[in-house]
Amino acid sequence: AQRVTQPEKLLSVFKGAPVELKCNYSYSGSPELFWYVQYSRQRLQLLLRHISRESIKGFTADLNKGETSFHLKKPFAQEEDSAMYYCALWSGGYNKLIFGAGTRLAVHP
Amino acid sequence: DVKVTQSSRYLVKRTGEKVFLECVQDMDHENMFWYRQDPGLGLRLIYFSYDVKMKEKGDIPEGYSVSREKKERFSLILESASTNQTSMYLCASRIGGALTGELFFGEGSRLTVL
Repeated sequence: AQRVTQPEKLLSVFKGAPVELKCNYSYSGSPELFWYVQYSRQRLQLLLRHISRESIKGFTADLNKGETSFHLKKPFAQEEDSAMYYCALWSGGYNKLIFGAGTRLAVHP
Repeated sequence: DVKVTQSSRYLVKRTGEKVFLECVQDMDHENMFWYRQDPGLGLRLIYFSYDVKMKEKGDIPEGYSVSREKKERFSLILESASTNQTSMYLCASRIGGALTGELFFGEGSRLTVL
């Protein structure tokens, strides 16, 4: 079964602390994975995708096929990073994006 | 700039009412999607559409139907609203045939069914 698991509902850190939002997936085949972010009162938007291997707003995510993980990391959290983060898996065969339950990141001053 | 617009940000309806949620995109995208967003459950796919007049059931289609008469517009219909359909509804679009799964989302429609 195709599935995305985000084990943490809430991650609370202080400004300047490292952040790691966990994501594990289940998919037979070569996965295409994304992180989406939703800031307060804003629409859900793409943060980054594993294919691009890019760093957006200081966030990076590495696909680990052995551990079937795609954790999102940032070395120094900022208050403006506070948001809801969703890990997502593109199921090309079914033409749909499968989301995890989401993790709320709260960065305190 | 990519734009997906949902006509109603907030709706309050009574049990048994028929509800229409409208979504319009201005990007000439072939694919459109309706998700519902619930705390602790993430986003769950209700229906999607490959192209005009085409539709496919998602993971939770029960109690919903959709209409795609024009490429830019994708409507979600609740034939007889129930309290368990109180939720945030998100519309999204995507370039058809693209290799990437990147979706563009609307701002959402928060529906409360009393």
